[in-house]
Amino acid sequence: KAGVTQTPRYLIKTRGQQVTLSCSPISGHRSVSWYQQTPGQGLQFLFEYFSETQRNKGNFPGRFSGRQFSNSRSEMNVSTLELGDSALYLCASSLGSEPPGYGEQFFGPGTRLTVL
Amino acid sequence: GENVEQHPSTLSVQEGDSAVIKCTYSDSASNYFPWYKQELGKRPQLIIDIRSNVGEKKDQRIAVTLNKTAKHFSLHITETQPEDSAVYFCAATRGKLIFGQGTELSVKP
Repeated sequence: KAGVTQTPRYLIKTRGQQVTLSCSPISGHRSVSWYQQTPGQGLQFLFEYFSETQRNKGNFPGRFSGRQFSNSRSEMNVSTLELGDSALYLCASSLGSEPPGYGEQFFGPGTRLTVL
Repeated sequence: GENVEQHPSTLSVQEGDSAVIKCTYSDSASNYFPWYKQELGKRPQLIIDIRSNVGEKKDQRIAVTLNKTAKHFSLHITETQPEDSAVYFCAATRGKLIFGQGTELSVKP
């Protein structure tokens, strides 16, 4: 089976712009979670989607949003970018047969976002 | 809010020694505790997990112990090898995964 894929792998944006990141889960996986990884804050949970519905969200401002499509692919959008949004954004997929947050999550390679 | 503290932040051991990483969590309702390993430039991968109805779980050289009363859990790696060098993240969940800050383990040959 193909692993989790994310596009693009690298992005450079300027403050105030918006950005959309994409995640394709492993075939058959219905849950997709998003995480922000920075050297100072580690891995922080953004939100989790299952069957096109957001089941849980972390403590991020409303500028961070996401959605999931009927084929389980997910997108994450960040509006009005700030310098502090520079990070590696990881998505992870799982079967979704367990409650949110449980069971093995399979991570993608990440999208490296740089905000100038 | 939920919080997971992980110690130490860096750990250096000689090949063949044991390594122990400790985590404490704040939400007493957390009941699933995975450990992920992230090698340099790669994606995190699950290495072991434990649920709250179990006190200890072992998989070859890796073991995890859980003390629900004290709200802490630990990762034990025995007979460390250079390929164990990576960043290790603990996490706790009650609906969403809250990760610790990570421990950079270096195994010197």
